[in-house]
Amino acid sequence: DTAVSQTPKYLVTQMGNDKSIKCEQNLGHDTMYWYKQDSKKFLKIMFSYNNKELIINETVPNRFSPKSPDKAHLNLHINSLELGDSAVYFCASSSGLPLAKNIQYFGAGTRLSVL
Amino acid sequence: DQQVKQNSPSLSVQEGRISILNCDYTNSMFDYFLWYKKYPAEGPTFLISISSIKDKNEDGRFTVFLNKSAKHLSLHIVPSQPGDSAVYFCAASMNYGGSQGNLIFGKGTKLSVKP
Repeated sequence: DTAVSQTPKYLVTQMGNDKSIKCEQNLGHDTMYWYKQDSKKFLKIMFSYNNKELIINETVPNRFSPKSPDKAHLNLHINSLELGDSAVYFCASSSGLPLAKNIQYFGAGTRLSVL
Repeated sequence: DQQVKQNSPSLSVQEGRISILNCDYTNSMFDYFLWYKKYPAEGPTFLISISSIKDKNEDGRFTVFLNKSAKHLSLHIVPSQPGDSAVYFCAASMNYGGSQGNLIFGKGTKLSVKP
């Protein structure tokens, strides 16, 4: 029974398309995150949501829009995909507020390839 | 500008010996440090953490050492087992301020433990 699940696992698409990645956690956590791992292998935070409200929004293009219908879900919608969006996207969750001491639990990742 | 650096992309050790993974950071405001472990096609999994008020934290075979004056931390695994073979990410965070809870990751070190 997966704690943090992402779908799809792989996503191959053409430049200019719009796509979504879904994330669900069954841990009862209050905070959810999206990270991007680029070709240089850096894991960088994109967004953080606490109880469906945006807490952290790093310098991410506004083509990326997170949507949290409830605190168990944080979906990532990407408009007008570009080649540079190709990466592995990880969803994570933690209990309470987004503090470092509140351990983050990660999903298995979604590998996005933009052609 | 890398605030968290793992200068060894890979490390190979013999089963039963000690593995030492190193991490350096540049931001003296970091006050919490974590190690995550990642297997292929899976998300990172929390391993161990340390607060900046401590210089050592131990959990079974895993010990993290923090040297604040050198801005350096290390993860010791003793004894190393083949199942420890994975990529290890060092992460740092501040528990206050605008970037509160934001994890800054290093690029990771791939550990191979040979039987």
